[in-house]
Amino acid sequence: GAGVSQSPRYKVAKRGQDVALRCDPISGHVSLFWYQQALGQGPEFLTYFQNEAQLDKSGLPSDRFFAERPEGSVSTLKIQRTQQEDSAVYLCASSFGQRNSPLHFGNGTRLTVT
Amino acid sequence: DQQVKQNSPSLSVQEGRISILNCDYTNSMFDYFLWYKKYPAEGPTFLISISSIKDKNEDGRFTVFLNKSAKHLSLHIVPSQPGDSAVYFCAASGWNSGYALNFGKGTSLLVTP
Repeated sequence: GAGVSQSPRYKVAKRGQDVALRCDPISGHVSLFWYQQALGQGPEFLTYFQNEAQLDKSGLPSDRFFAERPEGSVSTLKIQRTQQEDSAVYLCASSFGQRNSPLHFGNGTRLTVT
Repeated sequence: DQQVKQNSPSLSVQEGRISILNCDYTNSMFDYFLWYKKYPAEGPTFLISISSIKDKNEDGRFTVFLNKSAKHLSLHIVPSQPGDSAVYFCAASGWNSGYALNFGKGTSLLVTP
C-alpha cells in the first residue's frame, strides 16, 4: 500500500480484556517500530523489529505487552489483561532499515480501556 | 526522564512571519535529530533532519539549526502558512539508543491569517 496501515483505528476494551492491534508496514521496509502516545505527550518507544527479528523490546512497559512480526511484514501488538493506564494511541512506523532512515508512521490505533 | 524537551506547548504566529520552534536535549550521545509534524487524528510525518556533524540543514521553507554546545536545536519556518498549523515534535537518536527515537512532548503551532 501507499503508507503504513493500522487497524482498528479505535478500540474500546473493558479492563482485563486482551486486545490485538495490527500494523501493515510499507512494502519493502525492513524495520518496524511500535510507539505509545499518551494524551499530551510525545510518542514513546515500545519495540523494534528488523525483518522478523525483535531486536529491541526495552520500551515495553510490562510483560502484558507482546509484539510479533512472524513473516517480517505485518506486525501485531498484543496487550493482555488491559488496564486503564494502557489507554493511549499506539503508533506503528516503518523504515528502510538504515539507522537514520526517516520513520513513516501510520495513523495509529486509539485504545480506550474502561 | 525526558531527554528531549520542548518547553513551549504552543505558539501562535501570523501568516507570512517566521515561526521558530525550539528543542533542548540532555543526552550528549544523541547524534541525529529530526522534526515531525502531526495533524489531528493522523500519524506524525517526517519534516526535516540534521546530523550532528552539521549545524544547519535547509529544505524549502524549513530550516533546522543545531547548537551542539548548548544541546539545542530549532526549526524555522519562513514564511509561515495556515497549512503549517499542526503539532511539531522534535526527536533524537544516538548510538547508545539504537534505532529508537526519543521524542519531545510537542509544540502546537497556530498560523493565523
